[in-house]
Amino acid sequence: GIQVEQSPPDLILQEGANSTLRCNFSDSVNNLQWFHQNPWGQLINLFYIPSGTKQNGRLSATTVATERYSLLYISSSQTTDSGVYFCAVVNRDDKIIFGKGTRLHILP
Amino acid sequence: EAGVAQSPRYKIIEKRQSVAFWCNPISGHATLYWYQQILGQGPKLLIQFQNNGVVDDSQLPKDRFSAERLKGVDSTLKIQPAKLEDSAVYLCASSQRRSGYTFGSGTRLTVV
Repeated sequence: GIQVEQSPPDLILQEGANSTLRCNFSDSVNNLQWFHQNPWGQLINLFYIPSGTKQNGRLSATTVATERYSLLYISSSQTTDSGVYFCAVVNRDDKIIFGKGTRLHILP
Repeated sequence: EAGVAQSPRYKIIEKRQSVAFWCNPISGHATLYWYQQILGQGPKLLIQFQNNGVVDDSQLPKDRFSAERLKGVDSTLKIQPAKLEDSAVYLCASSQRRSGYTFGSGTRLTVV
């Protein structure tokens, strides 16, 4: 099946810093989403981005489907950005596969 | 639009007891999923419904877990009897093709 690898696994940054999270996947996908799981456990959809680039405030994402990777950019980090960021892909059978996540900790 | 609703938010039970979780998906979303997320791991799919039919339940421990989606809308997930290793967050999600997945807030289950 499709393998989804996220890097880095852990990231500690000072408030105000920028960061780039990466998601590599091993086969063609129908869909790709980025989620933020906050410290209370809620999974919040950030981007539905099977290809191309999208921006939402301080966050943006780019998926290059032909090269099988996606990037999530966070600019001017805030402490509320802390949590785990998951990349999830949907394969040809409409099955969603999650990466193991990147745990982000923003220091005040 | 309203999101995916789940209840209860928290549940503490003793091992060997039974528990049930409820999910109401986004209106019009045909596909509904139940995931189990153990602390420190990514969500694991337990069961996927398309309308009221089961599409994938290959990772559902059927000796103790059951799920149903009557009338293709709300769904319930039941564990009977619960084990200590069932302690996790149970997430419900719904999707419509080409619009992505939306997750509910989850139910945090603690089995003692």
